[in-house]
Amino acid sequence: QSVLTQPPSVSGAPGQRVTISCTGSSSNIGAGYDVHWYQQLPGTAPKLLIYGNSNRPSGVPDRFSGSKSGTSASLAITGLQAEDEADYYCQSYDSSLSGFWVFGGGTKLTVL
Amino acid sequence: EVQLVQSGAEVKKPGESLKISCKGSGYSFTSYWIGWVRQMPGKGLEWMGIIYPGDSDTRYSPSFQGQVTISADKSISTAYLQWSSLKASDTAMYYCVRRGSYWDFDYWGQGTLVTVSS
Repeated sequence: QSVLTQPPSVSGAPGQRVTISCTGSSSNIGAGYDVHWYQQLPGTAPKLLIYGNSNRPSGVPDRFSGSKSGTSASLAITGLQAEDEADYYCQSYDSSLSGFWVFGGGTKLTVL
Repeated sequence: EVQLVQSGAEVKKPGESLKISCKGSGYSFTSYWIGWVRQMPGKGLEWMGIIYPGDSDTRYSPSFQGQVTISADKSISTAYLQWSSLKASDTAMYYCVRRGSYWDFDYWGQGTLVTVSS
């Protein structure tokens, strides 16, 4: 299993708000390392969506936001659109023997 | 414009060797770490390792240490991922990534699909 834990799937209707959680531990998120989020549309390479817990790269709509608290982080998507249907991954750095950069298992977002 | 362009899809037999590439452009190649990420069919992302082309300092995930070799040729702005003896379980999409200032992966290559089958 992944070092960071995400729900396998979430869903929401167009226009709604959904959140995706990412739970880590004291050796990664809880140790103060930043959390980043990636969006992978079907059949494409992942793309950076949120970096440094809550920052959006140029071109990412402000419907996407990130937050971090303690050993967890969250990605929120407001005003859900059909094109948001994708897999979402959280990522952080881990100081234990499990490796350096670690990912969550991914969450499939379905827009109903 | 920052770009990471990877080599094309490969079909190999078990036991064969392979080296795939990732060419960076639009930035100072020697100033940013380049990593590799595996995605097995229908599965999530796994960090494999990372190299600093400036001095070839390389780190591996414990899961991939000894299984692959990461290298770089800064004269042609290209990073490599290689196997000496492929297994069927190496079948996956492999992405190269650039490590950003926040230790995120800010740019991704388009991916190289490696299929290992007898």
